[in-house]
Amino acid sequence: DAKTTQPPSMDCAEGRAANLPCNHSTISGNEYVYWYRQIHSQGPQYIIHGLKNNETNEMASLIITEDRKSSTLILPHATLRDTAVYYCGHLGAGSYQLTFGKGTKLSVIP
Amino acid sequence: ETGVTQTPRHLVMGMTNKKSLKCEQHLGHNAMYWYKQSAKKPLELMFVYSLEERVENNSVPSRFSPECPNSSHLFLHLHTLQPEDSALYLCASSQDGASNEKLFFGSGTQLSVL
Repeated sequence: DAKTTQPPSMDCAEGRAANLPCNHSTISGNEYVYWYRQIHSQGPQYIIHGLKNNETNEMASLIITEDRKSSTLILPHATLRDTAVYYCGHLGAGSYQLTFGKGTKLSVIP
Repeated sequence: ETGVTQTPRHLVMGMTNKKSLKCEQHLGHNAMYWYKQSAKKPLELMFVYSLEERVENNSVPSRFSPECPNSSHLFLHLHTLQPEDSALYLCASSQDGASNEKLFFGSGTQLSVL
């Protein structure tokens, strides 16, 4: 199975962009990259996903390298409410197994 | 509010008890999931139901027994659990269970087995 690795923690100043990296060097060609976040005492919340192309939605942008071995989640203007654990994961076509890494604890500092 | 509701939020049970976790989704989705989240391990998929049929069973011990009576409700029946089963149990749903869908999670049931 492909594995994902993320830094255990990161700080970001409020109002600045938060760039969260994820390494998924063994990802298969048909596996999507997913990002979720989890605020304490809540379930994970979907943020964004992509296959090959960069994606953007109202929450964040996802940049996937051309070789697909890594990706970066960008929160363009971090707020205090963005403090959470951010999980990078992958899911292959025909599979239900959404595999997460151990996550990055993002602290947004006032 | 994600549209996925889990009850109870917290549960303490002895090793000989029988209890059930309940999940209800109000999103009109066809796929429902049980995940286990332990303190020091990544999120683990336990069971998947699609259109009320179990389509994934990830080598989960038989002391965990899922039930999906309809596409809106999912149960996890627990009996003779072990202390290492203490964890956050998360329910999720998605439109059809396809690989490019997003999951909607409930807030989970924090289970403590004494």
